[in-house]
Amino acid sequence: SQKIEQNSEALNIQEGKTATLTCNYTNYSPAYLQWYRQDPGRGPVFLLLIRENEKEKRKERLKVTFDTTLKQSLFHITASQPADSATYLCAIHNTGRRALTFGSGTRLQVQP
Amino acid sequence: GAGVSQSPSNKVTEKGKDVELRCDPISGHTALYWYRQSLGQGLEFLIYFQGNSAPDKSGLPSDRFSAERTGGSVSTLTIQRTQQEDSAVYLCASSLAGQDRTSWYEQFFGPGTRLTVL
Repeated sequence: SQKIEQNSEALNIQEGKTATLTCNYTNYSPAYLQWYRQDPGRGPVFLLLIRENEKEKRKERLKVTFDTTLKQSLFHITASQPADSATYLCAIHNTGRRALTFGSGTRLQVQP
Repeated sequence: GAGVSQSPSNKVTEKGKDVELRCDPISGHTALYWYRQSLGQGLEFLIYFQGNSAPDKSGLPSDRFSAERTGGSVSTLTIQRTQQEDSAVYLCASSLAGQDRTSWYEQFFGPGTRLTVL
């Protein structure tokens, strides 16, 4: 069956450290993979998109990697800040579909 | 500029009643999506509109769920004979369908409608 797995346990890190979140998928052939941020009571906000033929993408303090052999994406936040505390969702565009399939998200808590 | 708006923000209804949820996408966005999010869960795709037509409605969980979009803009999601398992946050998103294909895939979400079925 098709699955997108993100660590359901919250990730707690100290301010200034690098946060690394994992997204693993099975039985998908994603053309694109995206990461979204969701704060309580709000809709998700787009952060980064990476294509299947890209290995890495960066935007300011954010970095995403995409390994189609391992079927895994890693999302990094460097020099993390308490304001980065939120739930981070991985989402896949399966080839030929416009709709996104989301993982259940990982909650990040950055301690000051 | 204005983002995606949804109304109502909260809806409490009794089991068996019908509800209508509204979404106003970003002006000019031709693609519109409905998702729902149950407590502690990821988002579950319901239906996708391109203009006024729905090429993908594979996520609608039952025939009690329907949606329409008029004028390539506002969309309404209707749930008939609501059940307690319909309780969730219903999220709407829109995206461009411009020449840059990447723009098709970045989705802009509204704040959601929290539906509670008693």
